[in-house]
Formats: sequence, C-alpha cells, structure tokens
Amino acid sequence: RKEVEQDPGPFNVPEGATVAFNCTYSNSASQSFFWYRQDCRKEPKLLMSVYSSGNEDGRFTAQLNRASQYISLLIRDSKLSDSATYLCVVIPPNNNDMRFGAGTRLTVKP
Amino acid sequence: EPEVTQTPSHQVTQMGQEVILHCVPISNHLYFYWYRQILGQKVEFLVSFYNNEISEKSEIFDDQFSVERPDGSNFTLKIRSTKLEDSAMYFCASRGQMGSPLHFGNGTRLTVT
Repeated sequence: RKEVEQDPGPFNVPEGATVAFNCTYSNSASQSFFWYRQDCRKEPKLLMSVYSSGNEDGRFTAQLNRASQYISLLIRDSKLSDSATYLCVVIPPNNNDMRFGAGTRLTVKP
Repeated sequence: EPEVTQTPSHQVTQMGQEVILHCVPISNHLYFYWYRQILGQKVEFLVSFYNNEISEKSEIFDDQFSVERPDGSNFTLKIRSTKLEDSAMYFCASRGQMGSPLHFGNGTRLTVT
C-alpha cells in the first residue's frame, strides 16, 4: 500500500458545485496533515492544515479520520480559480520528511 | 512575508555535467528539504536536512546527489554527473519546527540534454 494515496481525478465540475477529495495514508502513527494546492508548473502552496477536530477556512473544510486513516477536503461553491491540483501531505512519525500524494486534478468550468 | 528563494529558475546542462542548485530557506527555519517533480508526475521527496546533517533521504537520492549548507543561509543540492532522467523541477522547502507545514521556493527547472 502506498504511503499516501489520492484519487488522481480529474474532477471536472461546474462553477458553484461542491466537490470533495479524499486521501488515505498507510502509517497510523502519522503526526500531521496538510492540503496543498499546486498550479501548473508552480510550487505547491499551503492551502490548510488538517486538525483532529476538523477545520474550516471560508469555502474549504478539512477533516481527519484517524480510525480509517484518511483526510478529506471539501470545497463549496467552487470558483474557476479553484482549478488546480490538490496535494495531500502527511508527516510520518519520524517527523523528518513530508510525503505527498500524487495529487487530485480539479477543473472548474463556467 | 518571508519566503524561500531558489536560483536559477531554469538550468540547462549537458549529460554528465555537474550542477548545483541554490536555495535560501526562510531565515529562522530549522528543517530543510529538496523535492523534485518530473513533468506531469508527483512531487517526490529527495532529502531532508536538520542540524547540519542529512536526517532522511529517499532511494532517488543516490551517490550522485549531495547537499550542503555551507554558510548558515544557503542550502545547495549538487548533482555530480547529470543524466537525462534528472530533468525535472527541483523544489527547495523549509519549515520552522516539527509539525509545521513546509514553505516552498519557486523551483529550479533542470533540463539535461
């Protein structure tokens, strides 16, 4: 099983739609979790951290399910500018590196 | 807002040549990383560096690769004898403390011909 696994998509949704991505991780002792966004040929940029209790930032909601070892990202009222690749990032117990999922490609269409 | 800076933005080199990619992490950060991303593929971990030594490296980071933090601000990645398959975007990243997120530089696009 891969350390971090994401559905690569692509997800093609109309503007205003709600879309959700999941990411599973293999190491149950993983410490911290993040969602990054990456635009084409650009560096990954932090979108939000994922807290145990779940957290929200505007239209974005992140959740962690430790029992099932996955994190999720929900985007409400999607905008054209949300089109990007969304990367799930997990910090394993050694805390020395961060493992990226392969990313989920989202395209929001007018 | 402080940022990670990488130079050059694009490096073209011939197969077999040595290249050094430069990074200046955020000044009060303690953990430093190199990742690479081959076009159209996932971001791959290469190496992490803490307390002036490598803390972890991936199977990609073989004897052709080395890292240095020569002067307390720069963090370099050297590829000794480049191969065609080393062509990729190389990202430097840093973070302040355990559990905090990574901050990435803009990347260096390496093209090996």
